[in-house]
Amino acid sequence: ETGVTQSPTHLIKTRGQQVTLRCSSQSGHNTVSWYQQALGQGPQFIFQYYREEENGRGNFPPRFSGLQFPNYSSELNVNALELDDSALYLCASSPVGTDTEAFFGQGTRLTVV
Amino acid sequence: SQQGEEDPQALSIQEGENATMNCSYKTSINNLQWYRQNSGRGLVHLILIRSNEREKHSGRLRVTLDTSKKSSSLLITASRAADTASYFCATDGVNTGFQKLVFGTGTRLLVSP
Repeated sequence: ETGVTQSPTHLIKTRGQQVTLRCSSQSGHNTVSWYQQALGQGPQFIFQYYREEENGRGNFPPRFSGLQFPNYSSELNVNALELDDSALYLCASSPVGTDTEAFFGQGTRLTVV
Repeated sequence: SQQGEEDPQALSIQEGENATMNCSYKTSINNLQWYRQNSGRGLVHLILIRSNEREKHSGRLRVTLDTSKKSSSLLITASRAADTASYFCATDGVNTGFQKLVFGTGTRLLVSP
């Protein structure tokens, strides 16, 4: 158990809809990152939040957005869902800094139909 | 895009045998982290090795890092059926200003009783 919790576990959405995924960070961690893992692939970095601001982003379009709250929990929002957005979405929390361990939650399996 | 590649893509061994997985990457790193993933669920952090370290041990795990060859290996000794999972290496690159883990494509390990 890492202390990182994600909800919901599974989700089915229709193309064009919007979705919000949630993550609670491990206690004492103030940095949260989101990753997308397509079937059979390694996770891909979406973005990172620190002190409620986005401080790094991967190659994902603006329809992927996020929030971090004062208690360090976080949301990932995806607008205008596409079929290719079907994936496992993973949240990771870590202490501040760039040379630290990242601990992942169990993920949310999103299916877009 | 994936930074690294794990080798082999799949590995099948008997309980009690050792399993060795290799990871190659492309850019300079702060650290390299190994993760385990069971059945497409969350990532479990196994070990972190920093760029100035050459070898680390944790229980039955041994990790080596060769920054001149941009490669790492994970050795699992005396494997158990419960070690059956996918294993990923992830690199935390320098000069990004934030933690962005770049994952390889993974090695699927099957340990038979």
